[in-house]
Amino acid sequence: DTGVSQNPRHKITKRGQNVTFRCDPISEHNRLYWYRQTLGQGPEFLTYFQNEAQLEKSRLLSDRFSAERPKGSFSTLEIQRTEQGDSAMYLCASSPGGVQFDEQYFGPGTRLTVT
Amino acid sequence: KNEVEQSPQNLTAQEGEFITINCSYSVGISALHWLQQHPGGGIVSLFMLSSGKKKHGRLIATINIQEKHSSLHITASHPRDSAVYICAVRSGSGGSNYKLTFGKGTLLTVNP
Repeated sequence: DTGVSQNPRHKITKRGQNVTFRCDPISEHNRLYWYRQTLGQGPEFLTYFQNEAQLEKSRLLSDRFSAERPKGSFSTLEIQRTEQGDSAMYLCASSPGGVQFDEQYFGPGTRLTVT
Repeated sequence: KNEVEQSPQNLTAQEGEFITINCSYSVGISALHWLQQHPGGGIVSLFMLSSGKKKHGRLIATINIQEKHSSLHITASHPRDSAVYICAVRSGSGGSNYKLTFGKGTLLTVNP
């Protein structure tokens, strides 16, 4: 399968624990995006990478959140000291870049439940 | 008020019916996307358009830039079309035109 993959697909954690999610974009896509989707809502933008550079970070991303994309390939999203309000679907997308309106391809998401 | 509003929020149809889902937005955009999300999370891009009309199989998407409105139509609906349909707009210019703002989605259920 050559689509965007995310791991794990589901994560249940206790409040206060740290969690890390991984996203593997489509090969040679140099743009990568993280979104968060809560129940009944559309996705909300979290952050954006162009290759390894994190070019934008939403105000939704508190200091407990950090994202990296070493070497411009896979990306990780870490949440420290999780809170119940962090429970959501975390979606990753990638796009090839290089054209004005390049299409974003979404992964299956990681569903986080904080108990 | 959300920048992207969809209607209806929920839609139930009988197999074979013609479906219309509407999207209105309040900001200037460079492109509009229609996306499909099945239970479990996966999102698939259906259309990206900046003017006029696009057709793919039984799906048709239209956009009216002046009225800031887009519609997604499904002809001869089928139970496998049951999903959440999400409208998203791309705003910003130049290097920042990647950002998508999403509507809340329309839950479509097509009964056999």
